[in-house]
Amino acid sequence: AQSVSQHNHHVILSEAASLELGCNYSYGGTVNLFWYVQYPGQHLQLLLKYFSGDPLVKGIKGFEAEFIKSKFSFNLRKPSVQWSDTAEYFCAVKVRGFKTIFGAGTRLFVKA
Amino acid sequence: GAGVSQSPRYKVAKRGQDVALRCDPISGHVSLFWYQQALGQGPEFLTYFQNEAQLDKSGLPSDRFFAERPEGSVSTLKIQRTQQEDSAVYLCASSAIPSGSNTGELFFGEGSRLTVL
Repeated sequence: AQSVSQHNHHVILSEAASLELGCNYSYGGTVNLFWYVQYPGQHLQLLLKYFSGDPLVKGIKGFEAEFIKSKFSFNLRKPSVQWSDTAEYFCAVKVRGFKTIFGAGTRLFVKA
Repeated sequence: GAGVSQSPRYKVAKRGQDVALRCDPISGHVSLFWYQQALGQGPEFLTYFQNEAQLDKSGLPSDRFFAERPEGSVSTLKIQRTQQEDSAVYLCASSAIPSGSNTGELFFGEGSRLTVL
């Protein structure tokens, strides 16, 4: 069965530190890849997505992610985090069929 | 409305009670999904509708779970004879395009938090 693994469940950073959240998926075919974010008290919303083309994808608020097909990975990065980036981040994969499969999430806390 | 609306936001049920959770998707969105999110976990797929057709219900955990979208807009997720393990946040998401080989962005509601005592 397809699955999505997020390596870190909790990450604590100071403001201005760099961020990288790992995401690996298990599926050998064509995939659509997403990162969703849930800010405290808010609903899940799309951060960025990859369908095809340039494997380096840029999203909102300075986030980017790189699709590395050979590693089945789609890691999320941001060069300098802000206190307002405190949130839970979910990696998600869409394969054949209708469902989008989510990872367990990574809770990021940024210290001011 | 501007976004996906879910009700009730919070529901407490006694074990064995039936519950109904409502989702009002973004107007015109053809795709509608239900997800279950247990504490500390990511959303788990339950079922998918394209307009009024339920095309995938492979994620429904048992026959106590039933979903419908009779007119292709509002959807209801019904859980019969609730059990403690049904306690979770139930998320509804909609999308503007059919979810076949490709998919658009999922727009999520704020969820319905169900607690079964």
